[in-house]
Amino acid sequence: ETGVTQSPTHLIKTRGQQVTLRCSSQSGHNTVSWYQQALGQGPQFIFQYYREEENGRGNFPPRFSGLQFPNYSSELNVNALELDDSALYLCASSKADSPWYGYTFGSGTRLTVV
Amino acid sequence: AQSVTQPDIHITVSEGASLELRCNYSYGATPYLFWYVQSPGQGLQLLLKYFSGDTLVQGIKGFEAEFKRSQSSFNLRKPSVHWSDAAEYFCAVVPGNTPLVFGKGTRLSVIA
Repeated sequence: ETGVTQSPTHLIKTRGQQVTLRCSSQSGHNTVSWYQQALGQGPQFIFQYYREEENGRGNFPPRFSGLQFPNYSSELNVNALELDDSALYLCASSKADSPWYGYTFGSGTRLTVV
Repeated sequence: AQSVTQPDIHITVSEGASLELRCNYSYGATPYLFWYVQSPGQGLQLLLKYFSGDTLVQGIKGFEAEFKRSQSSFNLRKPSVHWSDAAEYFCAVVPGNTPLVFGKGTRLSVIA
């Protein structure tokens, strides 16, 4: 059983640029969620995708967008990067019909905006 | 407001001592409850979870947690801490049909 993999592991971008982060979900999981974890904070929910549609969103602006592909992998796109976007971005996969069995997290992408 | 509270930002314990990390939630109904651990620079690893039934839940690495409905709490415990347990610990809930909501975390330091 493969886990959740994220790429890249680290990334440095300049303010105003755009970035794409990628996530491959665990085998058998059909839902992907993205979280932002600022330094010293708990993860904050960005959005969730199921059947290639966004079906839940946290308090993040529209410049945070995503995609889910037929193989359940996902992308997180952030436009017009701001310094405050510097964080660890975590992807988690789960089963839509049984979220109580828990979410499997990837190791994250560390984004630094300079 | 609905939330998850971890009152202790940082806890230091001696190796071999017992540990209890606190977690309180404020939701109308009992949510699904989880504890995750995060080592520096790493993702989150699930320690244990509670959905229903026995209120004392056993997890990996010798951890356990007890759900107390009357106190809206789900505290994590370990009888004897090892140096490798030093990490950040997050309590999280699934309130209903929404994704995980996390507390701010408790950083555990272990001293010899």
